[in-house]
Amino acid sequence: QKEVEQNSGPLSVPEGAIASLNCTYSDRGSQSFFWYRQYSGKSPELIMFIYSNGDKEDGRFTAQLNKASQYVSLLIRDSQPSDSATYLCAAPETGNQFYFGTGTSLTVIP
Amino acid sequence: GAVVSQHPSWVICKSGTSVKIECRSLDFQATTMFWYRQFPKQSLMLMATSNEGSKATYEQGVEKDKFLINHASLTLSTLTVTSAHPEDSSFYICSARDGQLLHGYTFGSGTRLTVV
Repeated sequence: QKEVEQNSGPLSVPEGAIASLNCTYSDRGSQSFFWYRQYSGKSPELIMFIYSNGDKEDGRFTAQLNKASQYVSLLIRDSQPSDSATYLCAAPETGNQFYFGTGTSLTVIP
Repeated sequence: GAVVSQHPSWVICKSGTSVKIECRSLDFQATTMFWYRQFPKQSLMLMATSNEGSKATYEQGVEKDKFLINHASLTLSTLTVTSAHPEDSSFYICSARDGQLLHGYTFGSGTRLTVV
């Protein structure tokens, strides 16, 4: 497996706080990055993807990409208990494989 | 939106038997299918990548003779676990992408395989 690393967690934040999830990748050829949420026993569901350097906002979620540093993050504002899940970042490799990071478990405490 | 239908959602089989898992893209043509395996409390591990009409590319450590992948059409890919053993018990998930990435990477709902 190619290297897509995530901060290991688990991460706990109080309800209403900002949760910050981080991911680094090794393939400089990767052009797009995806954040997925996975509830226990379920398959991943796409939260958002980002192609360009900078920030991309979608509701309470903001993805940040820094290609020079090979770093992508996901911020969740106003965290809710329903956000408690495992968050996976993923990056397509230049060879068309699609690898996931190890995942970060997030718990939002009411 | 794009939908990938995966069946069965769960299956229990006896050791030594084979199990086939199907993934169908319902409203787009999946030029590439990915098959993942996930053990409890672990991340998704890519098993193989298949392109329609060609042989699958297996990740290191994945036995291609044990995990047979067929991607015979742009809407159907199958994974057959041959001679299943208890250690093959896992959550298997497929993912599909269309050629132009219009729909991104869409996941099936997963198959929980238990080998007894």
